[in-house]
Amino acid sequence: NAGVMQNPRHLVRRRGQEARLRCSPMKGHSHVYWYRQLPEEGLKFMVYLQKENIIDESGMPKERFSAEFPKEGPSILRIQQVVRGDSAAYFCASSPEAGPRYEQYFGPGTRLTVT
Amino acid sequence: GESVGLHLPTLSVQEGDNSIINCAYSNSASDYFIWYKQESGKGPQFIIDIRSNMDKRQGQRVTVLLNKTVKHLSLQIAATQPGDSAVYFCAFQKGGGNKLTFGTGTQLKVEL
Repeated sequence: NAGVMQNPRHLVRRRGQEARLRCSPMKGHSHVYWYRQLPEEGLKFMVYLQKENIIDESGMPKERFSAEFPKEGPSILRIQQVVRGDSAAYFCASSPEAGPRYEQYFGPGTRLTVT
Repeated sequence: GESVGLHLPTLSVQEGDNSIINCAYSNSASDYFIWYKQESGKGPQFIIDIRSNMDKRQGQRVTVLLNKTVKHLSLQIAATQPGDSAVYFCAFQKGGGNKLTFGTGTQLKVEL
């Protein structure tokens, strides 16, 4: 059973460009979470999605960031008009069900560098 | 507000010794406390968790202790091995909630 997959692993964008980060959850998992990790810091929750629905986006910046988890295909985290402060590692996690009883399995992350 | 913090940013131990990593938290509403291990260039990996109605839980070579009175969580690793070298994060989750709140991490270095 393959784990959570993220691509690309490394992404370089110039200021003002768009970044698209993809996450394929583990097989059988319909709950996806996105976290951001700045250098030498802990992970910060961004958004929680279920198939076709955003459940909790309390950690998402109000502008330029959006996320989706379509019925078919991976979850996408989209950052428009990137700025240097967006440089970070973005991790996706998935779980089979919602709630603390269910472990969140993390992917290897996408490291975004904005030049 | 909610916060999870760690006392020591770096911990160096000799191979074979026991390691203790500590974490303080401020929010009493959490139900689950979790320890994650993150190796360089990888995503966090679940180690062990504990519910708020427990004081201690043991796994293979690891023990988590929860002291709700002083809002303190610790991870004990027995007979630390070179493969244990990583950054360790504590995290918590509220009952009925889904997002994890992470601490800033402790770098564990195992010296041969």
